[in-house]
Order: sequence, then structure tokens, then C-alpha cells
Amino acid sequence: DGGITQSPKYLFRKEGQNVTLSCEQNLNHDAMYWYRQDPGQGLRLIYYSQIVNDFQKGDIAEGYSVSREKKESFPLTVTSAQKNPTAFYLCASSNPDRASNQPQHFGDGTRLSIL
Amino acid sequence: AQKITQTQPGMFVQEKEAVTLDCTYDTSDQSYGLFWYKQPSSGEMIFLIYQGSYDEQNATEGRYSLNFQKARKSANLVISASQLGDSAMYFCAMREAFADTGRRALTFGSGTRLQVQP
Repeated sequence: DGGITQSPKYLFRKEGQNVTLSCEQNLNHDAMYWYRQDPGQGLRLIYYSQIVNDFQKGDIAEGYSVSREKKESFPLTVTSAQKNPTAFYLCASSNPDRASNQPQHFGDGTRLSIL
Repeated sequence: AQKITQTQPGMFVQEKEAVTLDCTYDTSDQSYGLFWYKQPSSGEMIFLIYQGSYDEQNATEGRYSLNFQKARKSANLVISASQLGDSAMYFCAMREAFADTGRRALTFGSGTRLQVQP
């Protein structure tokens, strides 16, 4: 079955450490997204990519970095510059055609905590 | 800037009854899409239903229907015959047709926690 795989499910970060969250999709979608969810809150956009080798900052990109070297993969690095990284991170993908009715498909998320 | 407002932090409903979850939105765009997602305690986001701004009829998907009132900029989710498994967070989201920037991301509301009681 096609879907989005995020790993790991749980991740712990030490002070001053960079950590990378994995996101892989086999839905053949061109567009991929990273969202952050804080407890009791909605999702906020960190980065998005419409096509391989291209990505754009979302609303809360500071302290994060991404790459898009392959269509299937969109890893997110939480850098030491992100002072409050504890959150639930969700990766999504969709078909980026001009119609607005394409739903985004989500992975199961990664819970990141500070040690 | 677009904005999604969900004014009900929590809702209770008796099993087998219907419930309406409110969502209002703000956009200056004429073309946009509205989505509802369900998030169980396990965390995954499950797509429920979609309504396009130019759709003349309200969307329906099984027990889910969307009460779309464009002039009032509201897109309320109606769940009929509630089941215990419907207990979850529900998020309303919007995507505008950003033809120039290519940004296709969703903007989410803060969510409503629905608890179905037996």
C-alpha cells in the first residue's frame, strides 16, 4: 500500500545537537511538507517542496533545514538554533496541480523531546 | 493572510446523536478549498471531507457532511450517528489556489476535541 513513512516515532535531542527526522513517501507525489504541532494546537508549516531540488520556507522555518534530493524523500533537520524543539512533527505529501481539491496525505508523525 | 477559526475547544456528544463542529475562515481569494481532518490520540491525520469554494452543493462522505455557507465564510462539519470511535481532535484547514507562489500548503485551525459518550 502507498503511504508516508516517518521515522523515528520518538526522538530525543540533547542541548546543542542537530537531529534529523526522516520522511519517505511512495505515493509518487511531487509536493511534500513539514508541519509542527504543539500540544493542543493546530499544525504550522515549517517547510515545503513542490519539486525535487527545490524547497521554500513556511511560516516557522527558523532553526530548521530540509533537503529534497529525491522525489520520495524530504528529511527535516532540527538544528541547535531551534531553542524550543519539543513538539510533534508531521510530514505530508500531495499532488501539486492547480486544483485546490487534492488532500494532503500525512505520515504518523515523530515526537521530539529535549533531554 | 488566511485564517481558520475553530471556536469550540471541546465538545461532548452522546453516542448515536449528531454533532456539528464549527469552522469559520477568512480569505480574500475567490478560489480555495476547505478540508476537515481527524486526529486520534495516536497522532495520525485522517482526511475526512473536502469542499471547494465553487462547489454549489455541500460535500458529503458517509456519516460526514459539510455545511458550507460561503457568504458567512463558514464550513461546519456535521457528524451523524456518532460512534465511540469518533472521539478525536478535528481540524478544519484551508488551501488557497496560490497560482503564483506554488504554495499548496494547508492552514489549520486550532482544533476541536470531540468526546463521544456511551
